[in-house]
Amino acid sequence: DGGITQSPKYLFRKEGQNVTLSCEQNLNHDAMYWYRQDPGQGLRLIYYSQIVNDFQKGDIAEGYSVSREKKESFPLTVTSAQKNPTAFYLCASSSRGRGLVNQPQHFGDGTRLSIL
Amino acid sequence: QKEVEQDPGPLSVPEGAIVSLNCTYSNSAFQYFMWYRQYSRKGPELLMYTYSSGNKEDGRFTAQVDKSSKYISLFIRDSQPSDSATYLCAMSVNGNQFYFGTGTSLTVIP
Repeated sequence: DGGITQSPKYLFRKEGQNVTLSCEQNLNHDAMYWYRQDPGQGLRLIYYSQIVNDFQKGDIAEGYSVSREKKESFPLTVTSAQKNPTAFYLCASSSRGRGLVNQPQHFGDGTRLSIL
Repeated sequence: QKEVEQDPGPLSVPEGAIVSLNCTYSNSAFQYFMWYRQYSRKGPELLMYTYSSGNKEDGRFTAQVDKSSKYISLFIRDSQPSDSATYLCAMSVNGNQFYFGTGTSLTVIP
C-alpha cells in the first residue's frame, strides 16, 4: 500500500532533550514537508525539501532541524531550543507535475508531541 | 492579515443537508486551490484540487473558485454523519509553498 508513514504516533519529550520524528514515504515523491498544527492556527510550515540532500526553512524553522539523505525519508528533530514543542506534527509529500509544479500534498497521520 | 481566512465554525447540520464551506484569501497570485478533510487524530486527506477559476464536481462534493472575489467554496450535497470532520482549504501560487486555512469543524447530525 502506497503512503506516508509517521512514527511514533505519540511522543513525550523531557526538558533539554532532542527528539526525532520519523517520516517515510513509498510514493516515489520528490518533495517532502513538515508542518506543525496547533488548535486555531492551522498548518504552519517548518521545513521542506524538493530533492535529496537539499531542504529549505519554512515559516517556523527555529528550534527544528531536518535531513534528506534518502528520497523516501525526511526525519524531523525537535531540539531543546524549541521552547514550545507541544503540537501535532504532520509530514507530507508531493510529486512533480507538468511544468515542474508540485502536485497537492499527501499527508501522514501525524505524531503528537507532548512535554513531560 | 493572514494569507487565507477560514471560519472555524463549528458548523452543525442535519443529515441530508447541503453544506457550504468557504475561504477567502488576499494573494491574487494564488492559482492552485485544494480542500482537505481531516478526521480527529488523523492527517488531512485531499478531497478536491482545482486550478484557476471555475467549478469542479466529484460525487457529492463541488469546489468553486471565484478569483475576482478571492473566494473559494466547497459544497457537500446529501451530507452524511461520516462527513463529520474538519475541512481545510489550501492554496498555492506555483506549487512550491502551500497556505492553509485554520479549518472548519463540521458535525452532521443523524
